[in-house]
Amino acid sequence: GAGVSQSPSNKVTEKGKDVELRCDPISGHTALYWYRQSLGQGLEFLIYFQGNSAPDKSGLPSDRFSAERTGGSVSTLTIQRTQQEDSAVYLCASSTHGGLPDTQYFGPGTRLTVL
Amino acid sequence: TQLLEQSPQFLSIQEGENLTVYCNSSSVFSSLQWYRQEPGEGPVLLVTVVTGGEVKKLKRLTFQFGDARKDSSLHITAAQPGDTGLYLCAGDGGSNYKLTFGKGTLLTVNP
Repeated sequence: GAGVSQSPSNKVTEKGKDVELRCDPISGHTALYWYRQSLGQGLEFLIYFQGNSAPDKSGLPSDRFSAERTGGSVSTLTIQRTQQEDSAVYLCASSTHGGLPDTQYFGPGTRLTVL
Repeated sequence: TQLLEQSPQFLSIQEGENLTVYCNSSSVFSSLQWYRQEPGEGPVLLVTVVTGGEVKKLKRLTFQFGDARKDSSLHITAAQPGDTGLYLCAGDGGSNYKLTFGKGTLLTVNP
């Protein structure tokens, strides 16, 4: 079956521009996560969606970052007024119900480069 | 904040050698997971350990969870070039859904 897909795979933008990153989770998965992976760093939790519950936004690094999940499926991560330190790989994952140790299935990521 | 320290950070070995990578913390975890990530792809779950002292085997890979549930190790026997990748450990980050990841061990197995 289809796994988690993300688009675009690569995004190059100029400092100050806004970007949108998309995640299509595995069909039927109620939990969706966004992570950021910077060079030399581990995966950093950004945000978690579970069904119709309010998302856990505790990992978002600043108010320039926001995310939404429409219809309990597709999610979009938006970064406004991008900065060079936002350059990283943004990974999306989904899981069946979200409780650990539930298996998280990761997408291939979007590599964001801010010039 | 619960931190996971992985060592070594980099490891380059010849095909056929054995190796062990470590994942340590001062915090107790209810469960710990190991992932492998290849270039251009997302991490893929290898194993989940939930019981202190637990040992799990996956072909040539052996995973151990420390008795106190603060540390874990991954041992690979007779490494192959296909084992090359970034190995990440992750533990429940103080919640029932949030994972805390280590920075990873980048393994290169040379033919």
